[in-house]
Amino acid sequence: DQQVKQNSPSLSVQEGRISILNCDYTNSMFDYFLWYKKYPAEGPTFLISISSIKDKNEDGRFTVFLNKSAKHLSLHIVPSQPGDSAVYFCAASPSGFNKFYFGSGTKLNVKP
Amino acid sequence: EADIYQTPRYLVIGTGKKITLECSQTMGHDKMYWYQQDPGMELHLIHYSYGVNSTEKGDLSSESTVSRIRTEHFPLTLESARPSHTSQYLCASKFEGFNEKLFFGSGTQLSVL
Repeated sequence: DQQVKQNSPSLSVQEGRISILNCDYTNSMFDYFLWYKKYPAEGPTFLISISSIKDKNEDGRFTVFLNKSAKHLSLHIVPSQPGDSAVYFCAASPSGFNKFYFGSGTKLNVKP
Repeated sequence: EADIYQTPRYLVIGTGKKITLECSQTMGHDKMYWYQQDPGMELHLIHYSYGVNSTEKGDLSSESTVSRIRTEHFPLTLESARPSHTSQYLCASKFEGFNEKLFFGSGTQLSVL
């Protein structure tokens, strides 16, 4: 039973536009959420995180929004660049535990 | 940024061989993890360790085993590799405390023929 879901396997956007990647979760115990970027045959690299006491966190071009009532988070990339093309994984960790649950990823393609 | 290393990066072996995937980190992290990932799928936790001589199985059943004799070293062993073990194996570690991110190594892409 997958507790973190990314329902869009792929997303294509034009360079300079906004990319919005979505993630849904089912476990109400999750209180820490992260986004990772991954290239083929490489390990994931951390992008941005948010704890459940916040509903927004920004870092440069990347913003994560958390809607706890809807159990939904999203990653906004503005403006999108061709170098952003990769697979993006959403992850969540339950309160009091040092374990992380990952979604199946969304492959972002930013077209020049 | 991440000082966590995995070797080999790529491994192609025949069925029945014993293999060990190496993972080392120089950050002094107590918590280390092994994930398995196939294309288009989520990362599945197969093993984790919260410190020396502490290892636990993850949520995905795996025929592999792990050991944690030193803080910095968390190797994964397959006694007899099979084609179904073909996958990417990712090692990760984190600082103590909650709300701390995972640092990942570069991964080992394993192909069993």
